[in-house]
Amino acid sequence: GAVVSQHPSRVICKSGTSVKIECRSLDFQATTMFWYRQFPKQSLMLMATSNEGSKATYEQGVEKDKFLINHASLTLSTLTVTSAHPEDSSFYICSARDTGGADGYTFGSGTRLTVV
Amino acid sequence: AQSVTQPDIHITVSEGASLELRCNYSYGATPYLFWYVQSPGQGLQLLLKYFSGDTLVQGIKGFEAEFKRSQSSFNLRKPSVHWSDAAEYFCAASPGGSYIPTFGRGTSLIVHP
Repeated sequence: GAVVSQHPSRVICKSGTSVKIECRSLDFQATTMFWYRQFPKQSLMLMATSNEGSKATYEQGVEKDKFLINHASLTLSTLTVTSAHPEDSSFYICSARDTGGADGYTFGSGTRLTVV
Repeated sequence: AQSVTQPDIHITVSEGASLELRCNYSYGATPYLFWYVQSPGQGLQLLLKYFSGDTLVQGIKGFEAEFKRSQSSFNLRKPSVHWSDAAEYFCAASPGGSYIPTFGRGTSLIVHP
């Protein structure tokens, strides 16, 4: 089945620095990928839709300048958390849909970001 | 508004006992329905899905779910739970296959030995 690889799985960074998270579709092309944020013991909150070759679409309340999304190829989307602060600490998950498959959306394994 | 409701935040069962996790949806038409499982610190894995046809859907890891249109429900079941089934379970729905799903808040399954 479709596989989405997310890297890194864990990252610790200092407050004020930027962190990049990668999301790759390994065996299919994804013109659209999705980025979620998950707080402890809560559901997934859709942050933005990443569109290959164009600007991302952000959900209401998500800061575009804080969470930069780049989708430069059909298999790679990146989320950069800029000038990270402790409140940005969270679990970030990406997702993509293999339009040629039957499994709907496939999710990456997530990235645990801790800002100290 | 479209929504997915998982009424139980936590469910505790003994190993070997049967399991049922509840999910209700509110959509204008029958949506596509999914169940995902999330182990601690991991992403989501698809357990099963319902698009149309047979209302009893078989999934991986011995799980099944039954779609009941009259109750707007898609409950997940397993006849005998294993300790490794302890995880967070999410029900999700979308208006169609190309639409991003809406997730319920999740149900945490605790398995006692």
